[in-house]
Amino acid sequence: GQSLEQPSEVTAVEGAIVQINCTYQTSGFYGLSWYQQHDGGAPTFLSYNALDGLEETGRFSSFLSRSDSYGYLLLQELQMKDSASYFCAVRDDKIIFGKGTRLHILP
Amino acid sequence: DSGVTQTPKHLITATGQRVTLRCSPRSGDLSVYWYQQSLDQGLQFLIQYYNGEERAKGNILERFSAQQFPDLHSELNLSSLELGDSALYFCASSSPPGQGPPDYGYTFGSGTRLTVV
Repeated sequence: GQSLEQPSEVTAVEGAIVQINCTYQTSGFYGLSWYQQHDGGAPTFLSYNALDGLEETGRFSSFLSRSDSYGYLLLQELQMKDSASYFCAVRDDKIIFGKGTRLHILP
Repeated sequence: DSGVTQTPKHLITATGQRVTLRCSPRSGDLSVYWYQQSLDQGLQFLIQYYNGEERAKGNILERFSAQQFPDLHSELNLSSLELGDSALYFCASSSPPGQGPPDYGYTFGSGTRLTVV
C-alpha cells in the first residue's frame, strides 16, 4: 500500500521560515509533489522533485531524499496569505496525497 | 481560472438520489482524475481516465462510476447517495511530461460541493 505522513498543523510567525516534513511509503515512486490549498479553494501545484536535492521557486523550496523516503517544503519570508493547507503527494501512475498540514501564521 | 471546469459548483440532494458531476479538462490534457475531499480530510483518489479509457482506480465505491467521453470531458456519477457522501469532489487534469506546465503536476478545477441531506 501507500502512505504519506505529514504533521497535521504547524504555526509560525509572519516573516519567519517554516518547514513542513513528509515521509512516504509507496510501492512505486516517480517523484514528490507539493500542493497548496486555501480554505474552500482548489489545490494548486507548488513543486515537484524527482531527484534528490533542493528545488527552489521564489520563497518556496522543496527537498527530496529518496533513500530516506523523506521530503520537505520550506517556506521563507512568511506572509499572511500563506495561511493554507499544504499537501505532499507521491506520484507513480497517479498521485496519492497526504492528509495535509494546516499552516497557521501569526502576525 | 485554472482551465479545468467543473459543474455544478454546489449541489444539494437527498439521500438515495443520484447525481452527475461534470468536468472539462484543460485544453490539450488527456488525463482526468477525480478526487473526494471530506471535511478536514485529505484528497482521496477515486479514478483516473486517459483519452477515454480507465487507467487507474482508487477507493471508489461501487455506487460511484465515471466515464470520459470522446471530447475528453468526464462525468462522475454518484448513486444511492448517503449522508457520508457529502464532500468536495475535485477533478484534475494533467498534460504529458514535458508538455506542462505544471510538469508532472495536476491542475485542479474549483470543485463541486455536494451536500446530501
